[in-house]
Amino acid sequence: SYVLTQPPSVSVAPGQTARITCGGNNIGSKSVHWYQQKPGQAPVLVVYDDSDRPSGIPERFSGPNSGNTATLTISRVEAGDEADYYCQVWDSSSDHRVVFGGGTKLTVL
Amino acid sequence: EVQLVESGGGLVQPGGSLRLSCAASGFTFSSYWMSWVRQAPGKGLEWVANIKQDGSEKYYVDSVKGRFTISRDNAKNSLYLQMNSLRAEDTAVYYCARATGAYGSFDYWGQGTLVTVSS
Repeated sequence: SYVLTQPPSVSVAPGQTARITCGGNNIGSKSVHWYQQKPGQAPVLVVYDDSDRPSGIPERFSGPNSGNTATLTISRVEAGDEADYYCQVWDSSSDHRVVFGGGTKLTVL
Repeated sequence: EVQLVESGGGLVQPGGSLRLSCAASGFTFSSYWMSWVRQAPGKGLEWVANIKQDGSEKYYVDSVKGRFTISRDNAKNSLYLQMNSLRAEDTAVYYCARATGAYGSFDYWGQGTLVTVSS
């Protein structure tokens, strides 16, 4: 089955750029979606189809995807960005199954 | 406004059953794939099951195959998850989520309902 690998944690100072990676075999051939989850809340979609943003999500959130790594980039990080972030793809080779990465805790120093 | 509201969670003994419901509003329910996603306490997100718009296709994570059944009633704008033979490892918050397409993102999520499997 398809596996997505994320670093458990990333730390960044306010105003800096955070990069959260999501590794998977030839993930560049798939559409990657990213979710933000704050404690006690449901996940929120922040990037879809590798680099598009839903309405209401700041331009600070972006995401390239190529080769074996997709990246969620958060520019000018704010305290309110502190959360868990998950990448997600559909494993089209395996009966429309959905795969989530293990999640990355973003800490704003 | 799109809303997804789950219900039906609670405490159940190992081997027991529970039926979760998700009431959808604010969009044409019958036009979307729908999914259940769960999150065990302190753990990450885990996809559980998908169902196509007309219910003709259903997919499950291996760990729940044969025990859980996803279904929908488009006339009632409702999604369901029948959970049988529950195990301690099924303890989690269960979210229903709307998919933007067959391979799309989950653009709307419910607030979740907690299922606790314990004796």
